[in-house]
Amino acid sequence: ETGVTQTPRHLVMGMTNKKSLKCEQHLGHNAMYWYKQSAKKPLELMFVYNFKEQTENNSVPSRFSPECPNSSHLFLHLHTLQPEDSALYLCASSQIRENEKLFFGSGTQLSVL
Amino acid sequence: TQLLEQSPQFLSIQEGENLTVYCNSSSVFSSLQWYRQEPGEGPVLLVTVVTGGEVKKLKRLTFQFGDARKDSSLHITAAQPGDTGLYLCAGGTYNQGGKLIFGQGTELSVKP
Repeated sequence: ETGVTQTPRHLVMGMTNKKSLKCEQHLGHNAMYWYKQSAKKPLELMFVYNFKEQTENNSVPSRFSPECPNSSHLFLHLHTLQPEDSALYLCASSQIRENEKLFFGSGTQLSVL
Repeated sequence: TQLLEQSPQFLSIQEGENLTVYCNSSSVFSSLQWYRQEPGEGPVLLVTVVTGGEVKKLKRLTFQFGDARKDSSLHITAAQPGDTGLYLCAGGTYNQGGKLIFGQGTELSVKP
């Protein structure tokens, strides 16, 4: 596989469920990101990991918990979400010194009921 | 807070027409990126411009970075149905470690 792969592509969950989103990059990059994309709103940066160390938490509620075990894998653990958290969650990667050149996965379309 | 405003938000045109999408801000950016996102997919980087006044061409697409590095435009000549998608501009920031600020996007529909 090449590029940035996200699973699952679609997820429906109740407000009391716990689920995880997975992202894997095969580009040899050393920075990984989680973005939230809601309708008619700009992409919102959630978390940044450089060399698997978290360097940015953009005031994200604690019901979203990221994990980066190595430079190629990134997870977003979800629990007790709210309906307003329904959105497309995008993972991206880049080289640290070229962090404007993001390579995105296809995203996970999340619906919270 | 740095903001990027894109206009128009929606654009529906016929194949063969020309169009321009604008990306404006009151802030200065270190670089400006344009991405295209197709339904069900993530954004794909089209171009990066870094110098004020810079013009880059990618086949029928022409990208320009404003002299003051506060705005940018994307011009498409003779649009084709394959150009349909969401176009996003993103500015690189000086004082936030290069973090990107995204515009809200321009949704383009090109009808055959």
